Amino acid sequence: NAGVTQTPKFQVLKTGQSMTLQCAQDMNHNSMYWYRQDPGMGLRLIYYSASEGTTDKGEVPNGYNVSRLNKREFSLRLESAAPSQTSVYFCASSERQGSNQPQHFGDGTRLSIL
Amino acid sequence: QKEVEQNSGPLSVPEGAIASLNCTYSDRVSQSFFWYRQYSGKSPELIMSIYSNGDKEDGRFTAQLNKASQYVSLLIRDSQPSDSATYLCAVNGYNFNKFYFGSGTKLNVKP
Repeated sequence: NAGVTQTPKFQVLKTGQSMTLQCAQDMNHNSMYWYRQDPGMGLRLIYYSASEGTTDKGEVPNGYNVSRLNKREFSLRLESAAPSQTSVYFCASSERQGSNQPQHFGDGTRLSIL
Repeated sequence: QKEVEQNSGPLSVPEGAIASLNCTYSDRVSQSFFWYRQYSGKSPELIMSIYSNGDKEDGRFTAQLNKASQYVSLLIRDSQPSDSATYLCAVNGYNFNKFYFGSGTKLNVKP
């Protein structure tokens, strides 16, 4: 039972390059999320998708775009990477939109931008 | 003001002692509260959830919630070295689909 799968696990980019982080869940969850985690900053929400076909901005959306490809997959795109986007990125999912639903996390993508 | 505040630690306790981790939040309408454990280099994993004032126990873990004081805590009894990790407090935002995480408290349990 894979849960939430993120690819790649590690990536090094040069400033200005673009890339897409992939996330897929096999728990039939409706809601999916993208976070970044920086030292001393905790987890910050970039974008989320409450259900298939919808996406909304979180706390720190600038410089990112997302696509909810289908119920299973939610991708995060960096169009023109900047050093400030060096971080660990986590994808998460929850059963449905609602305050009592816990989130389940993938293993993360460690992204370095030179 | 951050939505969720935690003491970054590190909090050091001897093996077998009770570890007490604290969290305060700013949004009075918050309804759901979660504790996650994160080992170094790993992803957060859910330990406890609590929705009502009072205590909720699960094995060696007890979550405590006081909505009037906007305070939630996690007690770990009989702490073990394997409990050494960073503990993240999460609180739902005004939009129930948004959770705010604290920056985490690092716990060290010394053998």
